[in-house]
Amino acid sequence: DTGVSQNPRHKITKRGQNVTFRCDPISEHNRLYWYRQTLGQGPEFLTYFQNEAQLEKSRLLSDRFSAERPKGSFSTLEIQRTEQGDSAMYLCASSRVGGPGKTQYFGPGTRLLVL
Amino acid sequence: AQSVTQPDIHITVSEGASLELRCNYSYGATPYLFWYVQSPGQGLQLLLKYFSGDTLVQGIKGFEAEFKRSQSSFNLRKPSVHWSDAAEYFCAVDLVFGKGTRLSVIA
Repeated sequence: DTGVSQNPRHKITKRGQNVTFRCDPISEHNRLYWYRQTLGQGPEFLTYFQNEAQLEKSRLLSDRFSAERPKGSFSTLEIQRTEQGDSAMYLCASSRVGGPGKTQYFGPGTRLLVL
Repeated sequence: AQSVTQPDIHITVSEGASLELRCNYSYGATPYLFWYVQSPGQGLQLLLKYFSGDTLVQGIKGFEAEFKRSQSSFNLRKPSVHWSDAAEYFCAVDLVFGKGTRLSVIA
């Protein structure tokens, strides 16, 4: 069990550029979640997958955001045409369906700065 | 809709003193309740959780929390705070997090 990993850990981009983040969950975890956390705030839920299926999306997830989990293992979160308001920490978490409740294990996050 | 309120943005306690962090929630059914801790540059770490059963739950690092359905609360407590407890603490109901309480510990 190596924990949830996220890459890159930091990303600086210019407004209007596209960025993609990757999340590798704990192996055999069926569920994978994406959150966004801005300074001084708690994590805000964006979306989650059960295996390959994207089961829920927050209204926060504008059409510039897209997430995939093509093989039910790692996931990517892409932001198109980035805006300065997208600057935040993007957190990934995973959990086992049928495990102890819905305990999520979080990765270290990817910090995005849009200039 | 679910919501979580952490009324205290910042709390300062002396090392060795007791601690209580407040959390109130709004949820239609029996909630899954969590407390997480986040240290600077670190990921969120689960302290404890409540799903059912005994309303007083024990967690890691000497923390405990009590679920009070009548008050819609799930307050986090620790009898004696250590300097290393200084961090941001988040209460969560399912996928909804509060805004956090920042804990400072003074000597």
